[in-house]
Amino acid sequence: DAGVTQSPTHLIKTRGQQVTLRCSPISGHKSVSWYQQVLGQGPQFIFQYYEKEERGRGNFPDRFSARQFPNYSSELNVNALLLGDSALYLCASSRLTGGYTGELFFGEGSRLTVL
Amino acid sequence: DQQVKQNSPSLSVQEGRISILNCDYTNSMFDYFLWYKKYPAEGPTFLISISSIKDKNEDGRFTVFLNKSAKHLSLHIVPSQPGDSAVYFCAASVGNRDDKIIFGKGTRLHILP
Repeated sequence: DAGVTQSPTHLIKTRGQQVTLRCSPISGHKSVSWYQQVLGQGPQFIFQYYEKEERGRGNFPDRFSARQFPNYSSELNVNALLLGDSALYLCASSRLTGGYTGELFFGEGSRLTVL
Repeated sequence: DQQVKQNSPSLSVQEGRISILNCDYTNSMFDYFLWYKKYPAEGPTFLISISSIKDKNEDGRFTVFLNKSAKHLSLHIVPSQPGDSAVYFCAASVGNRDDKIIFGKGTRLHILP
């Protein structure tokens, strides 16, 4: 079975531009969450979507938005890019049903560089 | 305000010996604690978790210990193997309501031959 897939893997943008990152969860997983990992830090929670509805939002400005589609894939959008948005953006999926273990399945990430 | 703290940025351990990675937390509402492992150019992978109602959970070579009174947990790897060289993230969550997980900064483990 395919794991979580993300695209693009790498991209370079300039300040003020907008970016869209995409994620396909593992088949059967209905929950998708997004994390930002800045160099030297652990992943930081941005959003979670479950059954196409926002279930949680981290401490990020309104420039960050996301959505989930009927096939459970998801997009993360970031507007008006700042230099500080340069990071690895990780997508994770889970079933969010059954016994809770805290296990998220992460993709390899999209590395965004803002110049 | 860091709710999950890993105070050792790196750790070097001889192959075959025990690796002990430590983690402290501040939020008393956390009731699930997790360890993730990350290799370069890969996403984090789940390693082991422990509920706050337990003080120990074991899975093969990996054991996690939880000391709630001290707000401290540790991951023991015995015996350490070369493939264990990676960044280890301690993490915590509140309940089973969502996938919001709070991660520490990570500890880079080097297994020496």
